[in-house]
Amino acid sequence: QKEVEQNSGPLSVPEGAIASLNCTYSDRGSQSFFWYRQYSGKSPELIMSIYSNGDKEDGRFTAQLNKASQYVSLLIRDSQPSDSATYLCAVTGSGGYNKLIFGAGTRLAVHP
Amino acid sequence: GAVVSQHPSRVICKSGTSVKIECRSLDFQATTMFWYRQFPKKSLMLMATSNEGSKATYEQGVEKDKFLINHASLTLSTLTVTSAHPEDSSFYICSAGQSANTEAFFGQGTRLTVV
Repeated sequence: QKEVEQNSGPLSVPEGAIASLNCTYSDRGSQSFFWYRQYSGKSPELIMSIYSNGDKEDGRFTAQLNKASQYVSLLIRDSQPSDSATYLCAVTGSGGYNKLIFGAGTRLAVHP
Repeated sequence: GAVVSQHPSRVICKSGTSVKIECRSLDFQATTMFWYRQFPKKSLMLMATSNEGSKATYEQGVEKDKFLINHASLTLSTLTVTSAHPEDSSFYICSAGQSANTEAFFGQGTRLTVV
């Protein structure tokens, strides 16, 4: 069983729409949850971090965490073509200390 | 925000040679850094945890004698790919965080091509 699971996509949304990205994880001891954006050939860039249950909003991005369901999601409002990238969900394992376990990533395509 | 610098960004080497990749935390001290490898259209796979002043911890299936890690100071970790072969061609990325369980920042990555 994979530790962090994401739908590989591609997820295609029209410009201006809401993109919804989902992620589940298996380690109940995970404490920290992150969403990274990665453009082709580039290093991952941190988009959001979330540490407690509920929603966290930052501009057009909202992260949602439900530890009971072992589920974390990312919503992107007013999607733009520049949002087209692969979105990686990452969690810290029980060992903590920034040791990130990554999902396979979801490819998002925002079309004009 | 915290900055992690990785060098070189691209390297091409001949089969059988060794390549060293550097990862530096520029504005914070990092007792722990992480090395990842990413194949095309795949996710990041953790290779090893680099610990300042002690031996690195390798993930299962990663050859420690092939991928030498040195973390001699609080701001620098190096990964040396020894006796490189074409199958070692990949995107290598390091990361570091300022403290436990907070966000990790990534270096720019190194595209290694072994010919």
